[in-house]
Amino acid sequence: GAVVSQHPSWVICKSGTSVKIECRSLDFQATTMFWYRQFPKQSLMLMATSNEGSKATYEQGVEKDKFLINHASLTLSTLTVTSAHPEDSSFYICSAPGTGGSPLHFGNGTRLTVT
Amino acid sequence: QQQVKQSPQSLIVQKGGISIINCAYENTAFDYFPWYQQFPGKGPALLIAIRPDVSEKKEGRFTISFNKSAKQFSLHIMDSQPGDSATYFCAASMSTGNQFYFGTGTSLTVIP
Repeated sequence: GAVVSQHPSWVICKSGTSVKIECRSLDFQATTMFWYRQFPKQSLMLMATSNEGSKATYEQGVEKDKFLINHASLTLSTLTVTSAHPEDSSFYICSAPGTGGSPLHFGNGTRLTVT
Repeated sequence: QQQVKQSPQSLIVQKGGISIINCAYENTAFDYFPWYQQFPGKGPALLIAIRPDVSEKKEGRFTISFNKSAKQFSLHIMDSQPGDSATYFCAASMSTGNQFYFGTGTSLTVIP
């Protein structure tokens, strides 16, 4: 079945540094990918929609200069957390819709800890 | 505005019991309703999904009941097992778009 691979699964970085998270669709092409943020014991919060060949669409309240999204190809989207701060520590998850838009396939998430 | 409302927030069930999680939606344009299961530290995984042309779908111990007129759907886990302990999210989407709307999640604990 369709698989979305997310890397790294966890990362620890120092305040002020940038971190890049990769999301790949392994056996299908994804013109759209979604990036979510999830706090402990809470639901998925959609941050942005990544579009291949065009700019990402950010949800209200999400700083686009802070969370840079690049949809480099039909199988790869990246999220870069720039100048990370401890409050950016969270679980970030990407997803991509399968054929015909459904179902939605998720990566395994990235646990980011900023010290 | 929450497009999909989910309850309960948490649920404790004895092993062998039935777990029931409910969701409600407002937008009648939704035509795809998946349920996702998420274990700690992992991304959500598709569990089962239904479209409005049927009122029930069963896959093993997992059943979705769908009530189109009430705009509600629910997940039933029969013979619940400790391994079913996870967070469950319902969602809704339109086949004309890619956007998925998620419920707030239900933390299920099945005690032996």
